[in-house]
Amino acid sequence: TQLLEQSPQFLSIQEGENLTVYCNSSSVFSSLQWYRQEPGEGPVLLVTVVTGGEVKKLKRLTFQFGDARKDSSLHITAAQPGDTGLYLCAGAKGGKLIFGQGTELSVKP
Amino acid sequence: EAGVVQSPRYKIIEKKQPVAFWCNPISGHNTLYWYLQNLGQGPELLIRYENEEAVDDSQLPKDRFSAERLKGVDSTLKIQPAELGDSAVYLCASSSGQGIVNEQFFGPGTRLTVL
Repeated sequence: TQLLEQSPQFLSIQEGENLTVYCNSSSVFSSLQWYRQEPGEGPVLLVTVVTGGEVKKLKRLTFQFGDARKDSSLHITAAQPGDTGLYLCAGAKGGKLIFGQGTELSVKP
Repeated sequence: EAGVVQSPRYKIIEKKQPVAFWCNPISGHNTLYWYLQNLGQGPELLIRYENEEAVDDSQLPKDRFSAERLKGVDSTLKIQPAELGDSAVYLCASSSGQGIVNEQFFGPGTRLTVL
């Protein structure tokens, strides 16, 4: 049973399009993180959200933590080929991180 | 500042052979993690160390997997004997373990192929 469900699992879009990735759970997390991973590399932390309802922006990326701290979303505006990669959400619970299965994003020029 | 270092980057072995992976965390990071990542999936925790103590090894298949973190710095993860299903990427991560936010920094991983 996947504690954190990400959707969609795969996303292929054209450069310039907008997209949203969702991370949902029935559990409450003390914080939630988003990572991006490129082939052959480890995940790299993008952002950490801690407070329910929190919104953080990182250039063209907007991250939101649900009011109940059970879900999160990542919105990318005007996607670029350099955004291609595996996007992972991870919830902090009991001193460890629980990862979703990831969203594989492909942005075509 | 140097990141998390892992070696080797790639390893190909035949089933039933032993294999070992090495990790050097970020300097000053007391917490070290080993994860297993299957293709197209998120990392799954195998073991977590606080200094030299394994505080969470509930997901480590102890019949064939072992790990150590002597002196609370470098760590080694071993599989003996390896099985076909062990083919995956093994990631090491470290964190300072401070504050309520558990921000982890990952190494590049070791890609294991068992033939």
